[in-house]
Amino acid sequence: DAKTTQPNSMESNEEEPVHLPCNHSTISGTDYIHWYRQLPSQGPEYVIHGLTSNVNNRMASLAIAEDRKSSTLILHRATLRDAAVYYCILREYSTNTGNQFYFGTGTSLTVIP
Amino acid sequence: EAGVTQSPTHLIKTRGQQVTLRCSPISGHTSVYWYQQALGLGLQFLLWYDEGEERNRGNFPPRFSGRQFPNYSSELNVNALELEDSALYLCASSLRTGRVGTQYFGPGTRLTVL
Repeated sequence: DAKTTQPNSMESNEEEPVHLPCNHSTISGTDYIHWYRQLPSQGPEYVIHGLTSNVNNRMASLAIAEDRKSSTLILHRATLRDAAVYYCILREYSTNTGNQFYFGTGTSLTVIP
Repeated sequence: EAGVTQSPTHLIKTRGQQVTLRCSPISGHTSVYWYQQALGLGLQFLLWYDEGEERNRGNFPPRFSGRQFPNYSSELNVNALELEDSALYLCASSLRTGRVGTQYFGPGTRLTVL
């Protein structure tokens, strides 16, 4: 079962920032928050991950709430190539199940030229 | 560095047939995960292999099986194909002992069952 909640769809104008929200109220202390995106008929592409602190990389920024029950993926300037389904995922680990990823249905991002 | 590769890209089978899908992980990764993604749906976890053994499986019938070879590549076998097995099958690899556990995905194999 998916352990995250995301809006089904969002729209953004090209070259404007996009904030993609995710709720994960049942997160545990050791769960990492991962974000992936998937273009049609392709495998998911890793975007960013974090545990407690905000994170930045060349693709995006991840803002994590202080209580860790929600996070926001920030695309600083949306381009047409950013149109994809964005998945917010909790990574749970145990010796029995390994790195378990629970995918929800994600947020479909439309970028308007 | 080469990413995760999968073969074949596309496959068409008929009901009752058997199929084998293949996956090569990123060099140095020992864990391989298989997912099924039916059209318009999210990813459903199928199987996890590490160090040549099946470590965990999702809620799928036994006709979904596989194995991992000494070079860490993996096969997914599906027997007695049913129409609802039509989906994109994705393979991902990761480091076994990584704290973060980032999984890197291949491009997938599109299976169509007629």
